Amino acid sequence: AQSVAQPEDQVNVAEGNPLTVKCTYSVSGNPYLFWYVQYPNRGLQFLLKYITGDNLVKGSYGFEAEFNKSQTSFHLKKPSALVSDSALYFCAVRDIYNNNDMRFGAGTRLTVKP
Amino acid sequence: DAGITQSPRHKVTETGTPVTLRCHQTENHRYMYWYRQDPGHGLRLIHYSYGVKDTDKGEVSDGYSVSRSKTEDFLLTLESATSSQTSVYFCAISDLSGGTDTQYFGPGTRLTVL
Repeated sequence: AQSVAQPEDQVNVAEGNPLTVKCTYSVSGNPYLFWYVQYPNRGLQFLLKYITGDNLVKGSYGFEAEFNKSQTSFHLKKPSALVSDSALYFCAVRDIYNNNDMRFGAGTRLTVKP
Repeated sequence: DAGITQSPRHKVTETGTPVTLRCHQTENHRYMYWYRQDPGHGLRLIHYSYGVKDTDKGEVSDGYSVSRSKTEDFLLTLESATSSQTSVYFCAISDLSGGTDTQYFGPGTRLTVL
């Protein structure tokens, strides 16, 4: 089955510094990868997705993600972190061999300190 | 939250009682999904629907049933709630099938089974 892993439970960065939230994937065939963000007591909000094409995908709120096929990674990045970016981030992959189910990682909690 | 409402938003119930959660959408999307969110597991798919009266099981369907009698409503029922079903439940919708479509999430229902 397709799957993603988020190796870090927690990421801490200082405001204004670049941030990276890591995601690695395991798929058969072409990967369809997604990033979502969850703020406290809210549902998940879509940030960006990779289907095909450019390896650098730009999304909402200044976020971008880099698809790296050789390293099977899809890391989320932002050049300059804001305190308001503090949230729970989920990587997900579409399991095209199992009814297109969405498989989520366990999540990474990002804390941006002033 | 993309024209999706969930009710109730919070519920406390006792073991053995039936519980029904409702998801309502105003987007006229064909596909609807129920997930549960638990720490360390990310989101896991319970059931999904690909049209009125058309539903299928997801990864963690045991103990749950669903119904969809109208495009806009998708109900999740716990026939006899257990403590292991204490979780946060999210509904999601999407317009297309296939690996590339994006799912949009509702605000969630926090269920506690005592």
